[in-house]
Amino acid sequence: GAGVSQSPSNKVTEKGKDVELRCDPISGHTALYWYRQRLGQGLEFLIYFQGNSAPDKSGLPSDRFSAERTGESVSTLTIQRTQQEDSAVYLCASSHGQTLGLHEQYFGPGTRLTVT
Amino acid sequence: RKEVEQDPGPFNVPEGATVAFNCTYSNSASQSFFWYRQDCRKEPKLLMSVYSSGNEDGRFTAQLNRASQYISLLIRDSKLSDSATYLCVVISDSNYQLIWGAGTKLIIKP
Repeated sequence: GAGVSQSPSNKVTEKGKDVELRCDPISGHTALYWYRQRLGQGLEFLIYFQGNSAPDKSGLPSDRFSAERTGESVSTLTIQRTQQEDSAVYLCASSHGQTLGLHEQYFGPGTRLTVT
Repeated sequence: RKEVEQDPGPFNVPEGATVAFNCTYSNSASQSFFWYRQDCRKEPKLLMSVYSSGNEDGRFTAQLNRASQYISLLIRDSKLSDSATYLCVVISDSNYQLIWGAGTKLIIKP
């Protein structure tokens, strides 16, 4: 079956513009995660969805970042007024859900965002 | 202190050698542990889970030491294709919060 897909694969934007990143999780996966990974760095947790609700938004770095999920499927991550420090790869992952033992995360290929 | 710490490396290892690295965690209530592998400019992929009794999958062995709060990954008879960054993941007792290490870079040389 299809894996996690993300679009666009690459995005170059000017400082100050808004961007929207999209994630299509594996069908039936109730949990969805967004991460940010800067070059040469580890994964930085941004937000987690269980169904359409986000019980943990603690990782969002500022109020310029927001995310939503609809239909327990597609999720969008929006970055307003982009800054150069937002340049990174944004990774989306999905998993079956919260139950212990079902935490294997399947990652999408990521969106490489470059803010000029 | 970071919640999950890994030696960033790189570990430069000759092909065929055995290599091991650890990942320490600070929350003693952590319940689940995993090793992921990330190739250069690719997304992470699950390598193996880490069970209390240890876990072996071919050339890879993962172990958990709760007393000292670390997990380990041992790779025997290393191959060139093992070159990657190895990320450890620790799940807190809240059941959904995954804490990622920054990764250990492994380079296998011919």
